[in-house]
Amino acid sequence: ETGVTQTPRHLVMGMTNKKSLKCEQHLGHNAMYWYKQSAKKPLELMFVYSLEERVENNSVPSRFSPECPNSSHLFLHLHTLQPEDSALYLCASSQASAGYNEQFFGPGTRLTVL
Amino acid sequence: GNSVTQMEGPVTLSEEAFLTINCTYTATGYPSLFWYVQYPGEGLQLLLKATKADDKGSNKGFEATYRKETTSFHLEKGSVQVSDSAVYFCALADTGRRALTFGSGTRLQVQP
Repeated sequence: ETGVTQTPRHLVMGMTNKKSLKCEQHLGHNAMYWYKQSAKKPLELMFVYSLEERVENNSVPSRFSPECPNSSHLFLHLHTLQPEDSALYLCASSQASAGYNEQFFGPGTRLTVL
Repeated sequence: GNSVTQMEGPVTLSEEAFLTINCTYTATGYPSLFWYVQYPGEGLQLLLKATKADDKGSNKGFEATYRKETTSFHLEKGSVQVSDSAVYFCALADTGRRALTFGSGTRLQVQP
């Protein structure tokens, strides 16, 4: 596989469920990101990992818990979500450097919380 | 802080029409600028980029020029196709910050 892959592509869960989203990048990058894309809103950055260390957390509720076990994998663990958490969750990766930051995105996981 | 402002959509055009999607930005440093495209049911794909003032990014017939004096990065295409129908996002990467700042996106609908 090439690029950035995300699984599952679609997920429906109840508010009491626990689930995880998975992202894998095959580009040799050292930084990974989670974004939330809701209808009619700009993309919201959730978390940034650089060299497997979380370097940014944009006031995301604790019901979202990221994990980055190595530079190729990123997870988003979900528990006791709310219906307003329904959105497209996008993963991205980049080769962080002193210059510009070109990010490569996965296809996203469409999450519906009932 | 940084911000990106895009024109509201949807933009509806006939095939072979000229396209302009406006984008202006506010940044504290010297950002790099990007246009991403999102086709239905897919993630974002990088369309083009420019890393310094007066640079022109181009790809697949789309162009955008980094205008520092007007803090703009407008997307243009001379002749759109139905297959260009998608949502277009303008974004910036500020110096020393990893994450991108995105605009709200502009939906383009091209009719045959």
